[in-house]
Amino acid sequence: SAVISQKPSRDICQRGTSLTIQCQVDSQVTMMFWYRQQPGQSLTLIATANQGSEATYESGFVIDKFPISRPNLTFSTLTVSNMSPEDSSIYLCSVAYGIEAFFGQGTRLTVV
Amino acid sequence: DQQVKQNSPSLSVQEGRISILNCDYTNSMFDYFLWYKKYPAEGPTFLISISSIKDKNEDGRFTVFLNKSAKHLSLHIVPSQPGDSAVYFCAASALAGNMLTFGGGTRLMVKP
Repeated sequence: SAVISQKPSRDICQRGTSLTIQCQVDSQVTMMFWYRQQPGQSLTLIATANQGSEATYESGFVIDKFPISRPNLTFSTLTVSNMSPEDSSIYLCSVAYGIEAFFGQGTRLTVV
Repeated sequence: DQQVKQNSPSLSVQEGRISILNCDYTNSMFDYFLWYKKYPAEGPTFLISISSIKDKNEDGRFTVFLNKSAKHLSLHIVPSQPGDSAVYFCAASALAGNMLTFGGGTRLMVKP
């Protein structure tokens, strides 16, 4: 398994501002994944972050809105830019080992 | 188009009895299936997985069954305990260690 630390665990932000979420893993991994869980919904993949290359975004998500950094094999950040109330969600990072995938504790974001 | 579906949004079971959570998928490229348990303020916790070369995998009180021809899997929890009360998500992937597609979740309530 993996120990995944996410910061912050929650935040309340003003609309129009940006928030950067950090994800630290206790071992080196090739791919890190960022998911979003909107209220009452399931988890949806935002993007896949590989070290040394640009992140790959899923349909409906764009780099300008959700820029991702992956400076090394144990760390990644997701920024939620120019926030609106519709961005209020839980944001989760994830890594996989073989078949199994593990998640951080999530960042609960509320935009007011 | 939902590729992974959990048709029961909720399930109530008596303590000590069996809980059966169901999941259907449409994408025949999926070869790996995972179940997660999620509490409201936490990230998903990995429970058990199965690859398409198997039809059953067991880990303690948790057993996952896969019927590939029917594109259906189920998670059996026996005996159910009040601490099992949570939202359960099934997830699928075409490649080991790659992105996951999640179902909508089933809220399990185990009554003492």
